[in-house]
Amino acid sequence: DIQMTQSPSSLSASVGDRVTITCRASQSISNYLNWYQQKPGNAPNLLIYAASTLQSGVPSRFSGSGSGTDFTLTISSLQPEDFATYYCQQSYSVPRTFGQGTKVEIK
Amino acid sequence: EVQLVESGGGLVQPGGSLRLSCAASGFTFSDQYMDWVRQAPGKGLEWVGLTRNKANSYTTEYAASVKGRFTISRDDSKNSLYLQMNSLKTEDTAVYYCGRVGYYVISGYYGATHYYYMDVWGKGTTVTVSS
Repeated sequence: DIQMTQSPSSLSASVGDRVTITCRASQSISNYLNWYQQKPGNAPNLLIYAASTLQSGVPSRFSGSGSGTDFTLTISSLQPEDFATYYCQQSYSVPRTFGQGTKVEIK
Repeated sequence: EVQLVESGGGLVQPGGSLRLSCAASGFTFSDQYMDWVRQAPGKGLEWVGLTRNKANSYTTEYAASVKGRFTISRDDSKNSLYLQMNSLKTEDTAVYYCGRVGYYVISGYYGATHYYYMDVWGKGTTVTVSS
């Protein structure tokens, strides 16, 4: 199985900050990488697929990059509604494993 | 409106069984692959399994943690997805989400590349395994 490791596990940031979350795969997954946002008590919401393609309706302050084993989710200017937990998921092979999550908290 | 609604969760004793349902609306259910994902209390997301569509023979895949105990099925005539859970363990306690698997296809010289992702999620149903 492909292991997905996110870093950091949590971070504190202020509104307006640029935030970067990293996801590393245990083997190359090309660009078969999805990012989701989850707010407490809610189901996850798709942000990005194919490593860098923004899902329809997702604000442009979110962006994704990477290929192979190393990937990044960037929020260019953190907004109050962005405080949440973010997960990466590989879709290269089954089982379609998730990272452990990164919780973005208010500083 | 595209919607998924899970049901069937509840309290069950270890070793027991439970069947979850997911009702789909607002899209052509029969065309889609569908996933189950779960989330234990205070923990991250865990992919449980998937069912492919009729064109792909309704084949299924499972996480190692549930293989042999859980079975995913679907009834396209009822726009419904199911998760039959047997031999339940306390570690199966979680919120269970069903999800539509969207896909993005890029055609190239060597053929088509399919990218899969969960683009629609239900609100989840809670399963508690406890004596």
